Amino acid sequence: NAGVMQNPRHLVRRRGQEARLRCSPMKGHSHVYWYRQLPEEGLKFMVYLQKENIIDESGMPKERFSAEFPKEGPSILRIQQVVRGDSAAYFCASSVGNAGPTDTQYFGPGTRLTVL
Amino acid sequence: LAKTTQPISMDSYEGQEVNITCSHNNIATNDYITWYQQFPSQGPRFIIQGYKTKVTNEVASLFIPADRKSSTLSLPRVSLSDTAVYYCLVGDIRESSASKIIFGSGTRLSIRP
Repeated sequence: NAGVMQNPRHLVRRRGQEARLRCSPMKGHSHVYWYRQLPEEGLKFMVYLQKENIIDESGMPKERFSAEFPKEGPSILRIQQVVRGDSAAYFCASSVGNAGPTDTQYFGPGTRLTVL
Repeated sequence: LAKTTQPISMDSYEGQEVNITCSHNNIATNDYITWYQQFPSQGPRFIIQGYKTKVTNEVASLFIPADRKSSTLSLPRVSLSDTAVYYCLVGDIRESSASKIIFGSGTRLSIRP
């Protein structure tokens, strides 16, 4: 059973360009979470999605950032008009989504975004 | 919102038992305690989860006292490969609470030969 897949692993963009980060959850998982991590810091929650539905986006910046988890295909985190401050590691996690308190999140390897 | 407090860093030697304690004074009735391990340039890896008393798996043990205001992750006979950052999380992972699961700065554990 493959784990959470993220691609690309490394992404370089110039200021003003768009960044698209992809996440394929573990087989059988219907819930996806996105986190951002700056160097030497913990992970910061961004958004929580189910298929075709955003459950909680309270951690997402109000502008330039969006996320989706379509019925078919991976979850996408999209950052428009990137700025240098967007440089970070972006981690995706997935869970079964049984709505119980022990619904463990399993993380992917992350995408390291560098904005020049 | 259950905030957690962990030591910033710890050092130990190969073959020793390492105990990392996490304080969570405001833990709620429905909250579970979960520990993750993160190596450099990798995503966090689930280690163990518990609600009360003691939980043990092939990797670690988790001790939770009756008042649940703290928890201790115990790593038996550590090796160099256990050098990582360890995060203690407290929360109720339900639909409405995903954003309330807080990753703090974690404990940076360094194991020496």
